[in-house]
Amino acid sequence: AQSVAQPEDQVNVAEGNPLTVKCTYSVSGNPYLFWYVQYPNRGLQFLLKYITGDNLVKGSYGFEAEFNKSQTSFHLKKPSALVSDSALYFCAVRDTLRGSTLGRLYFGRGTQLTVWP
Amino acid sequence: GAVVSQHPSWVICKSGTSVKIECRSLDFQATTMFWYRQFPKQSLMLMATSNEGSKATYEQGVEKDKFLINHASLTLSTLTVTSAHPEDSSFYICSARDFRGGGTGELFFGEGSRLTVL
Repeated sequence: AQSVAQPEDQVNVAEGNPLTVKCTYSVSGNPYLFWYVQYPNRGLQFLLKYITGDNLVKGSYGFEAEFNKSQTSFHLKKPSALVSDSALYFCAVRDTLRGSTLGRLYFGRGTQLTVWP
Repeated sequence: GAVVSQHPSWVICKSGTSVKIECRSLDFQATTMFWYRQFPKQSLMLMATSNEGSKATYEQGVEKDKFLINHASLTLSTLTVTSAHPEDSSFYICSARDFRGGGTGELFFGEGSRLTVL
């Protein structure tokens, strides 16, 4: 079964400092991995994805994520955090099996990022 | 990116009534849409997969008679919460996949609908 784990409920970082939001995954087969961000009372916004290719994936708003197969991790990073980055971040893995479950996303429990001025 | 529109954003209803939430893909066709439910400070729980022209596939534990899903066209899926009760109060989010360009198609999400049942 596919699953992702986000070990931290909260991440706090000062503005201007680098940030990391952790995610590890468990899949059968090749992983399709995603990061989404959610602002209060809003839907999810796509940040970036890893399907294949370069292990370092660059996404929206200056975020990037590094796929590490040996550690089964896909941590989200940003070199310099902004107060406006404060939000709830979700890591997700996509079901790549055929059949009725094709395409489902399995989400981690989310990590609340707070960037303080 | 692709746009998914969800309506209404907020709805308050009395216990026992039914509420319909619409999910539209505005600039692409979506043969499959997904409905999620999110409790406060928790992750998204997949409720069902909505398939255009056929019955929805419900996740284990989700009552299909309570959460009616209709996907009548390639751009519209609806979720109807029937005989709503206060415990149905939640944030409901729909999503759709855009396969244009032959890509793997990431999911695009609606803005969510906050349902409060009094």
